[in-house]
This record gives sequence, structure tokens and C-alpha cells, in this order.
Amino acid sequence: DTGVSQDPRHKITKRGQNVTFRCDPISEHNRLYWYRQTLGQGPEFLTYFQNEAQLEKSRLLSDRFSAERPKGSFSTLEIQRTEQGDSAMYLCASSLGQGFNEQYFGPGTRLTVT
Amino acid sequence: AQSVTQLGSHVSVSEGALVLLRCNYSSSVPPYLFWYVQYPNQGLQLLLKYTSAATLVKGINGFEAEFKKSETSFHLTKPSAHMSDAAEYFCAVSPEGAQKLVFGQGTRLTINP
Repeated sequence: DTGVSQDPRHKITKRGQNVTFRCDPISEHNRLYWYRQTLGQGPEFLTYFQNEAQLEKSRLLSDRFSAERPKGSFSTLEIQRTEQGDSAMYLCASSLGQGFNEQYFGPGTRLTVT
Repeated sequence: AQSVTQLGSHVSVSEGALVLLRCNYSSSVPPYLFWYVQYPNQGLQLLLKYTSAATLVKGINGFEAEFKKSETSFHLTKPSAHMSDAAEYFCAVSPEGAQKLVFGQGTRLTINP
């Protein structure tokens, strides 16, 4: 069990550019979640996958955001045409099995849009 | 919609003193409840969780929390604070039937020597 990993840990980009983040969940976990955390706030849910199926998306996930989990393993979160308001920590979590099980979080990707 | 309120965005205690971090949730049905800790520039680590078994839940690092349905509360306590406890603490609820977590705004705990 190597834990949830995220890459990159930090990303600085200029407004209008596209960025992509990667999350590798704990290997046997079938569920994967994305959250966004702005400074001084708690994480806010963005979306989650069960295996490769994206089962829920938050209203926070605008048309500029897209998430994929093509083979039910790693996931990517892409933000197109970044805006300064996208600056935040993007957290990935994973969990195992049926019902509700605890979520294990990765270290996050901190995005700064200049 | 489910929500979580953490009273006090910043709590400061002396080393060795009692730690009490407050969390109230809005729900008519007892949900799953969690406390997570976040150290600077790191992800969240689960401290403890309530899943309708015992109302007093023991977690890691000497923390515990008591679920009180009548008060819709799930306060986090530790009898004796340690310098290493300084971090941000988040209370979270899992709405019934949902897979996501809804977090409070967090409480920053500072430990004074």
C-alpha cells in the first residue's frame, strides 16, 4: 500500500492555459474522488468515479473542467482556459468497496494561476 | 442539503491542556461523521469516524469524539495537547446515500509551549 499519489505537487500557469493533473489511487480501490480546497476553507467535492464510470459531478465542475478514469485505475483532471479563480489545492482520494468506506487522500496538487 | 459547522476557525491551547474542537452537523438522520487532520502542504489524514456503532469513537494520536444525536454534534477532544497536534482539523459528513464528503470550514489548532 503506497498510498494515493498526485502529480505534479505544484503547478504555476498563466491565465488561459490548460493544465492536467494526475491521481494514482491505492491499487485495489475502485472509487476515486476529486476535491478542491481554497485557502482557509475545507475541501469541496468535485466529482467521483466508481471504476471507470463517472457517477457524480458537482456544480462546481464547470464546462472548463473534465475528469477521466479511462481504465478504472489512475485519473486525470484537466482545466481548460484557466482563470485566477481556479487557484486552489486539488485533492484526490480513493476508497474501496461497496457502501460508504473511508476515503484516503493524496498530498494534493497546488495550482497557482497568474 | 447536508452541512457541517465548525465553531471557531482558530483554537489556541497550551501544551498539556485539553483540546476541544467543536462540530455540529445538520441532518435528520445520523450520517457517517469524520474528523480529518491536515498538516501544512499535505493531504488529509483520517483521525476517526462514526458509523452508528459506539457513540464514543477513539481515533489515532489520542483523539476521540462523541456523537450526540440530540445536539447534532460530534466534538473532537484530546485530554493533553502536544506540540505535534498543531494542524488544521476538519469535520466532515457523508450525506445518506451519497459517496461524497461535505466538510466544515476547518479549525486551526495552535499549541503554545
